[in-house]
Amino acid sequence: AQSVTQPDIHITVSEGASLELRCNYSYGATPYLFWYVQSPGQGLQLLLKYFSGDTLVQGIKGFEAEFKRSQSSFNLRKPSVHWSDAAEYFCAAHNGGGGADGLTFGKGTHLIIQP
Amino acid sequence: DTEVTQTPKHLVMGMTNKKSLKCEQHMGHRAMYWYKQKAKKPPELMFVYSYEKLSINESVPSRFSPECPNSSLLNLHLHALQPEDSALYLCASSSRSGTGNTEAFFGQGTRLTVV
Repeated sequence: AQSVTQPDIHITVSEGASLELRCNYSYGATPYLFWYVQSPGQGLQLLLKYFSGDTLVQGIKGFEAEFKRSQSSFNLRKPSVHWSDAAEYFCAAHNGGGGADGLTFGKGTHLIIQP
Repeated sequence: DTEVTQTPKHLVMGMTNKKSLKCEQHMGHRAMYWYKQKAKKPPELMFVYSYEKLSINESVPSRFSPECPNSSLLNLHLHALQPEDSALYLCASSSRSGTGNTEAFFGQGTRLTVV
């Protein structure tokens, strides 16, 4: 079955420190991959996406992610976090086929920023 | 305009009420989605409309009834809900293409409370 795994439920990072959030996928073929961020009670905002090509993708708010086919991973990184980055982060995948399928989400990682 | 607009933002309804959630997008997207999100959980797909036709119904109870009147609008009609249906309901849209960009844009959600 298709699945997305985020192994870290909570991560605490000091403001100004670097960040890496992990995401692994299990699909028959390479899916389209996404990272979304959600502030409490809000909708989801797309940070970045990977469809094909360059395996290092840049997103909004200074985030980047690296696709590694050999590890079935799509980890999110930021060199220096800000207090406003505290939120819930979801990795998601889509099979990219011609049919209308929804996204498969990981369980999310709650990011806490320490002053 | 990359906005998906959901109304109302908050809704409190009794178990015998009938209400509707509304979603609108003007990006020319031909796929629209309803997701349900419980607290501290990822969004769960409920329904998918592709070219105004229901293409996916993820075994959602009949007390939830989706409707897609045209390519820009998506409704979710609610009737005889249960307290456990209280959640954040998210609408999303995406373009449909077998090989193209399939990123989904989400609305801010409707926070539903069933009393």
